[in-house]
Amino acid sequence: DSGVTQTPKHLITATGQRVTLRCSPRSGDLSVYWYQQSLDQGLQFLIQYYNGEERAKGNILERFSAQQFPDLHSELNLSSLELGDSALYFCASSESGSVYEQFFGPGTRLTVL
Amino acid sequence: AQSVTQLGSHVSVSEGALVLLRCNYSSSVPPYLFWYVQYPNQGLQLLLKYTTGATLVKGINGFEAEFKKSETSFHLTKPSAHMSDAAEYFCAVITNTGGFKTIFGAGTRLFVKA
Repeated sequence: DSGVTQTPKHLITATGQRVTLRCSPRSGDLSVYWYQQSLDQGLQFLIQYYNGEERAKGNILERFSAQQFPDLHSELNLSSLELGDSALYFCASSESGSVYEQFFGPGTRLTVL
Repeated sequence: AQSVTQLGSHVSVSEGALVLLRCNYSSSVPPYLFWYVQYPNQGLQLLLKYTTGATLVKGINGFEAEFKKSETSFHLTKPSAHMSDAAEYFCAVITNTGGFKTIFGAGTRLFVKA
């Protein structure tokens, strides 16, 4: 158990819909990272937040957005969903703004029908 | 730009045999390198990392990796495979383009035969 929690574990929705994925980092970790894992794209970095502020951005679509709240939990919002958005979404956290060691949550499996 | 190449999407070894998973990176600056393991239906777990110092890095579960700058490699090894090592392994490098980001390789799935 990494100490990072993600909810929900599974999510099934339809094209065009909007969903929110939630992540609670390890106690004391200020940084949160979001990743998307799919068969065709592999593991892709989406975005990082540090203490409430966006720190780095990766291959995140404009339909996707994220935020980190004062209690340090983070949410990833996915809108206008397409079939190709079906994937595993991982959250990770680390102590500081560096990425030297990230602790990954169990993931949320999103299925878009 | 930094990138990571893992040679072989699938590797199969017999129990007790040497495990060798290959990783090559490209980086214009001294790299920070990592190996992560992903067991079925789980998130990634850090096996080991190289930042500075000794080029032979030991990790958890008996794995180790050697940073070879001249070969731009960071191959992962374990002397004797165990059935519980069956998982997917990811090599990763940190890039500092538009903020620190971790770039992952495509992954190598390790199969261990009894």
